[in-house]
Amino acid sequence: GIQVEQSPPDLILQEGANSTLRCNFSDSVNNLQWFHQNPWGQLINLFYIPSGTKQNGRLSATTVATERYSLLYISSSQTTDSGVYFCAVVRYGGSQGNLIFGKGTKLSVKP
Amino acid sequence: DAGVIQSPRHEVTEMGQEVTLRCKPISGHDYLFWYRQTMMRGLELLIYFNNNVPIDDSGMPEDRFSAKMPNASFSTLKIQPSEPRDSAVYFCASSVSAGYNEQFFGPGTRLTVL
Repeated sequence: GIQVEQSPPDLILQEGANSTLRCNFSDSVNNLQWFHQNPWGQLINLFYIPSGTKQNGRLSATTVATERYSLLYISSSQTTDSGVYFCAVVRYGGSQGNLIFGKGTKLSVKP
Repeated sequence: DAGVIQSPRHEVTEMGQEVTLRCKPISGHDYLFWYRQTMMRGLELLIYFNNNVPIDDSGMPEDRFSAKMPNASFSTLKIQPSEPRDSAVYFCASSVSAGYNEQFFGPGTRLTVL
């Protein structure tokens, strides 16, 4: 099956710093989503981005489908950005419609 | 829109008891997914439905697990009998279509089996 690898596994930032999270996937995809799992365990949709670039406030994401990777940028980080960031994909052309998740990047933003 | 609704949010039960988790998808979404999150295995699919029909149940761990979707607005995931290794967070998600549209997740049910 398709493999989803996220890096780095852990990231500690000072409030106000910028960061880039990476997601590599091993096959073509129909769907790529970024999620933030907050400290209460809820999965928050950040981006639906199978290709191209999107921005939402301090967050932006870019997916280069031909090179099989996606990047999530967090600018001017805040303590509320802490949590785990997941990348998840649906393989292109497969019979499966479910998301395959990476192991996540755990982000800690210190005041 | 109320989003995906799950109940209960927390469930603590004893080994051997039956557990039923419930999900109401977003109205108009034809696909419903059940995922499980554990420390060891991360987030993984258990089963998903299209128009109330199970499409893929290959992730259901064993016969103790069963899922139903009697109508477009309700699904259940049942574990009977429950075991301590079933302790996990169970998420329900829904989407307009499988693979080509965004999936939206409910708040999850945190299950603890003692």
